[in-house]
This record gives sequence, C-alpha cells and structure tokens, in this order.
Amino acid sequence: EPEVTQTPSHQVTQMGQEVILRCVPISNHLYFYWYRQILGQKVEFLVSFYNNEISEKSEIFDDQFSVERPDGSNFTLKIRSTKLEDSAMYFCASSGGRISNEQFFGPGTRLTVL
Amino acid sequence: AQSVTQLGSHVSVSEGALVLLRCNYSSSVPPYLFWYVQYPNQGLQLLLKYTTGATLVKGINGFEAEFKKSETSFHLTKPSAHMSDAAEYFCAVSVSYGQNFVFGPGTRLSVLP
Repeated sequence: EPEVTQTPSHQVTQMGQEVILRCVPISNHLYFYWYRQILGQKVEFLVSFYNNEISEKSEIFDDQFSVERPDGSNFTLKIRSTKLEDSAMYFCASSGGRISNEQFFGPGTRLTVL
Repeated sequence: AQSVTQLGSHVSVSEGALVLLRCNYSSSVPPYLFWYVQYPNQGLQLLLKYTTGATLVKGINGFEAEFKKSETSFHLTKPSAHMSDAAEYFCAVSVSYGQNFVFGPGTRLSVLP
C-alpha cells in the first residue's frame, strides 16, 4: 500500500540553524501539506501546496518557513533560522484531491531545537 | 472558518466498556469529517471518514461514527474497549477538495484493566 514517508525521523539542531525536513508524498497525489504538533498539543496546519505553488498558509507559516517541491517526488519544509519554539513534530500529508479528500499522513519528523 | 471541539481531553474506560469520544464542529458548508488515532510517538492513522452518503460510517478496529447535521456532531464510538485502543484521538474537518484539515484538540483514551 502506498504511503507517505518522511526523513529524518528525528532532527536535533541548534537555535538559529537552518533545517530541511523531507517528505515523499504518495506518487499520484496532487495536494501536499505540512502540519506541526507541539508536544501535548493539537495538530496545527502550516501550509498547503498545489500545482507547484502555495495554495494556503496559516499565520504560523511566517517568513522563516518555506516549502519546495524540487523534483517530481520530494516535498520539503525549510526553516531558515530555527527558534526554540519550533521544537515540535512535523507531519507531511498528501491527498488525491478530486477523488478523495482523505489526507494521508507521514510518520512525522521530531524536531528538537536546543 | 471551521472549528472543532472535542469534549473531554482525557477519557478513561474499563476494558470491555463502551467507548464514546465526542466531536462537534462548526462549518458554514457541508463538511468532510475525519477521525484519526495517534499512538505514542507515532504518526496519524485514519480511523474513519464521512464525506457524503450514509451518515453512519464504520472504520478500522471496530470504531464507528455518526454524522448528525442537526447537532453538528461526529461522535466516535466502539462497543467494547480493548487495551490496544489506548491512544490519542483527533477529530478533523475539511470543507473542500484539497483544503487543509482543522483538527480538534484531541482526546486521550485510557483503557483500564
């Protein structure tokens, strides 16, 4: 069964450093998303991506964040200068759009900013 | 804008007892509704979804949920709890193809022996 994969599973970084979180969505999906979950809190939407551009973003997704689909398979989230409060679990998701609104989630990347 | 509330941040039931996890949503248009389960240190797994059609939907692991438009609810139930059901459960709403999900705050289910 196709699945969304994410790497790395755990990333530790120093405050102020850049990190790139990687995701491989399900191959025939059209919509891609990033969510985050701060420890013990709910899952929050960051950004959605369709047709090679951002379709929607939340207030969390400020200028420190960017997304990219550099090739036909990867979908990345970059945090330019990490802050302590960026420590969270980051989930990538993809959906087929027209056929089903179901979003398939990856296993997550746990980001720890020291 | 859509929103989701889940009554009860923590629910405890005995093994074999009925599980009822509450979800209420607000949406100005017909919603798509989802329940996800998250086991410790793992990702989100879809339990079930309502898009259109039958309002009682069955999911994995014996769970089911009923969409009640008049009550703006989508409560999750399971007739008999199992120890393996202990996890965090999230209700989510979306209103159109490709739109992001809005998640509720989650309910942690504990199952007591």
